[in-house]
Amino acid sequence: QLQLQESGPGLVKPSETLSLTCNVSGGSISSSSDYWGWIRQPPGKGLEWIGSIYYSGRTYYNPSLKSRVTISVDTSKNQFSLKLSSVTAADTAVYYCTRRDCSGGSCYFDYWGQGMLVTVSS
Amino acid sequence: SYELTQPPSVSVSPGQTARITCSGDALPKKYAYWYQQKSGQAPVLVIYEDNKRPSGIPERFSGSSSGTMATLTISGAQVEDEADYYCYSTDSSVNHREVFGGGTKLTVL
Repeated sequence: QLQLQESGPGLVKPSETLSLTCNVSGGSISSSSDYWGWIRQPPGKGLEWIGSIYYSGRTYYNPSLKSRVTISVDTSKNQFSLKLSSVTAADTAVYYCTRRDCSGGSCYFDYWGQGMLVTVSS
Repeated sequence: SYELTQPPSVSVSPGQTARITCSGDALPKKYAYWYQQKSGQAPVLVIYEDNKRPSGIPERFSGSSSGTMATLTISGAQVEDEADYYCYSTDSSVNHREVFGGGTKLTVL
């Protein structure tokens, strides 16, 4: 059973960089049919796609966040990471790491981590 | 930017049929997916590729899509179906541009 687990600081100061890591277990991050993504949800609000990465390192970002986002992958550790720079209170959210499965011809997020609340505050 | 539009809330009595809509210009060309999110939990996929149900999802959940609108139907809604529901799709003009609808709060009481 595939499992994803987010880790990182739960509190980040304004203007600093938010850094999260997602550890993947029960499957390989190098699967040719999978992408790996980050999705966030501000308190009381809806879901927002941040970006996705393929095991080769190819990335895709939400245009609204592109200038501040970097997603990377470490296949040796079976994990991928998110960096969001110059954070403000508006970046306070639960951050989910996900698998985007493309094995069936279409692609969708099928496995999700439990989510991690990151608060931006001084 | 591409958007998917959902009603903010839908309310039904137990046993009634709940219908949640999602409209988007790319839906004639792209599949719609539906996620259920209960309070404090990660989203769970309940419908994929417009109308397919993952294993373990009750038969009362069904999906359809026609033109620019996709619909999630819960036939005989139960109290435990009370949750937020999000539609998801992609922009037809840009690959890997993932979009979620704003979410619909389903109340069953």
